[in-house]
Amino acid sequence: EDQVTQSPEALRLQEGESSSLNCSYTVSGLRGLFWYRQDPGKGPEFLFTLYSAGEEKEKERLKATLTKKESFLHITAPKPEDSATYLCAVRANAGNNRKLIWGLGTSLAVNP
Amino acid sequence: DSGVTQTPKHLITATGQRVTLRCSPRSGDLSVYWYQQSLDQGLQFLIQYYNGEERAKGNILERFSAQQFPDLHSELNLSSLELGDSALYFCASSVGATGELFFGEGSRLTVL
Repeated sequence: EDQVTQSPEALRLQEGESSSLNCSYTVSGLRGLFWYRQDPGKGPEFLFTLYSAGEEKEKERLKATLTKKESFLHITAPKPEDSATYLCAVRANAGNNRKLIWGLGTSLAVNP
Repeated sequence: DSGVTQTPKHLITATGQRVTLRCSPRSGDLSVYWYQQSLDQGLQFLIQYYNGEERAKGNILERFSAQQFPDLHSELNLSSLELGDSALYFCASSVGATGELFFGEGSRLTVL
């Protein structure tokens, strides 16, 4: 069964303390892995798309990487405004390929 | 601002009632998706429309129905409401069937 697992469930960092969030997936043929950021009470905001192992994307303090089994969202020198829930989703090749499979997210809190 | 508009933002109603949530997608986007998000279950895919036609169905209850109109706006109808239907309902849109979705701010439904 296609599955996406994010870890840790929650992470608390001090401002400037770099870390990584993990998204591991089990799907039958990856057609894309997507990272989103969600602020409390708001809709998710699209961040990155990754398609193949070895691919990397960067945006400000965030860098997303992809291997054959997982993706990492690296946060370098985070600021309090990076506090949010980060969601990972994958699109699989087989079956109903119009559906995204979502992880439950990592709730990140960055303390000043 | 994602460009996706959802109304109403908040809705409080009683069990057994029926409500309609409305979504206007980003200009030019043909796909509309509906998601339900509750505290303990993350984002649950309900249904997708593409240019007026149903494209994919997720965990949508029989008490729920949706449609996409010729002007591409969409409505999600929830009937015979139960306490467990209380959640945030998000609409998202995309140009095609990709994983790069643009979410609205959501409609928060409270069933008392």
